[in-house]
Amino acid sequence: DIQLTQSPSFLSASVGDRVTITCRASQGISSYLAWYQQKPGKAPKLLIYAASTLQSGVPSRFSGSGSGTEFTLTISSLQPEDFATYYCQQLNSYLLFGQGTKVEIK
Amino acid sequence: QVQLQESGPGLVKPSETLSLTCTVSGGSISSYYWSWIRQPPGKGLEWIGYIYYIGNTNYNPSLKGRVTISVDTSKNHFSLNLSSVTAADTAVYYCARVSGYYDSSGFTRGLDYWGQGTLVTVSS
Repeated sequence: DIQLTQSPSFLSASVGDRVTITCRASQGISSYLAWYQQKPGKAPKLLIYAASTLQSGVPSRFSGSGSGTEFTLTISSLQPEDFATYYCQQLNSYLLFGQGTKVEIK
Repeated sequence: QVQLQESGPGLVKPSETLSLTCTVSGGSISSYYWSWIRQPPGKGLEWIGYIYYIGNTNYNPSLKGRVTISVDTSKNHFSLNLSSVTAADTAVYYCARVSGYYDSSGFTRGLDYWGQGTLVTVSS
């Protein structure tokens, strides 16, 4: 089975910072990758699919890139509402998630 | 606006079967894949499985043998059964829609609509 490994697991940042989260797949998954944001007590929210396509309604400060085995989620200028946990998910036969990256206020 | 709502017992005894239903409103269950995901308290997301509206299923290998997902298009809902539960199955259970379609190698989009989640505790 293909495993997804996110790094870092925890990230401390300030409002206005540029933040990058990496997701590595144990085997190539082309562009079959999505990113989600989850806030405490809430269901996850789809941010990006097909590795780099922004879901409707998601602010343009979020962007995704990569293909094959290495992917990144970038927040160009961190806003107060962006402090949350972020997950990557493979979109091939098994919709497995990465372990998550918690973004906290510095 | 599509909405999903999980329903079922909040407490299940060890060794019994956990049963949940996800009712879809504001749209048809047809032509989509539907998924179950869970999240143990304080931990990350775990994909459980998905079902296509005509009944095709796929499950997380780590849970295979214990999981069954079914669909009832007449009631616009789909269901999860997880057998032989233990305390490790205590989690918030979410249902979600898989948007897009399945091409030759995977899904073209992600999980776009989610239920609010329901906490299921396994305890005697």
